[in-house]
Amino acid sequence: NAGVTQTPKFQVLKTGQSMTLQCAQDMNHEYMSWYRQDPGMGLRLIHYSVGAGITDQGEVPNGYNVSRSTTEDFPLRLLSAAPSQTSVYFCASSYVGFLGSPLHFGNGTRLTVT
Amino acid sequence: AQTVTQSQPEMSVQEAETVTLSCTYDTSESDYYLFWYKQPPSRQMILVIRQEAYKQQNATENRFSVNFQKAAKSFSLKISDSQLGDAAMYFCAYRSPLGTSGSRLTFGEGTQLTVNP
Repeated sequence: NAGVTQTPKFQVLKTGQSMTLQCAQDMNHEYMSWYRQDPGMGLRLIHYSVGAGITDQGEVPNGYNVSRSTTEDFPLRLLSAAPSQTSVYFCASSYVGFLGSPLHFGNGTRLTVT
Repeated sequence: AQTVTQSQPEMSVQEAETVTLSCTYDTSESDYYLFWYKQPPSRQMILVIRQEAYKQQNATENRFSVNFQKAAKSFSLKISDSQLGDAAMYFCAYRSPLGTSGSRLTFGEGTQLTVNP
């Protein structure tokens, strides 16, 4: 049982480049989300989805795009990378409709923008 | 907006002893859950324990227990019989509804726990 799989684990980009962080889950979770982790700030919600074809913004959505064409996949796109996007990114999923359903996290992607 | 505050950036404990990590939150909502997550150096986020706002009884998971004080908006984590493997960053988190059927997990800043042998 793979759970939540994120790729790549590490990535270095130059300012202005674009890339996609991949996230896939095999638990049939309706809810998927992306967080970024910065020192001293905990994790902050970027975008989330409650099902295929449905996405919405979180706390820090600027500079990021998402789509949800299948239940399993929820990629995060950086259109024009900026140094402020240097961070560790986590994808997380859970069942929808129950606040107590724990989030299952991927192992994170460390992104550095130079 | 909801906020979660962990006022102890770092804590240390001797192996086999007990340590308590503090967490306070601010909300006007009545329906929410509280969580503690552990992040070891591997970077993996691991659920430690969760508490429903409507339940007055404090949650317990083996050596981990919480002291949930709803009126004071306090949610501390007690680790008993600390082990070397407990060394990690601990995050307190608050989950509330967002939008039509989504939700948001709001995290505190984290507390780095060191366990001394």
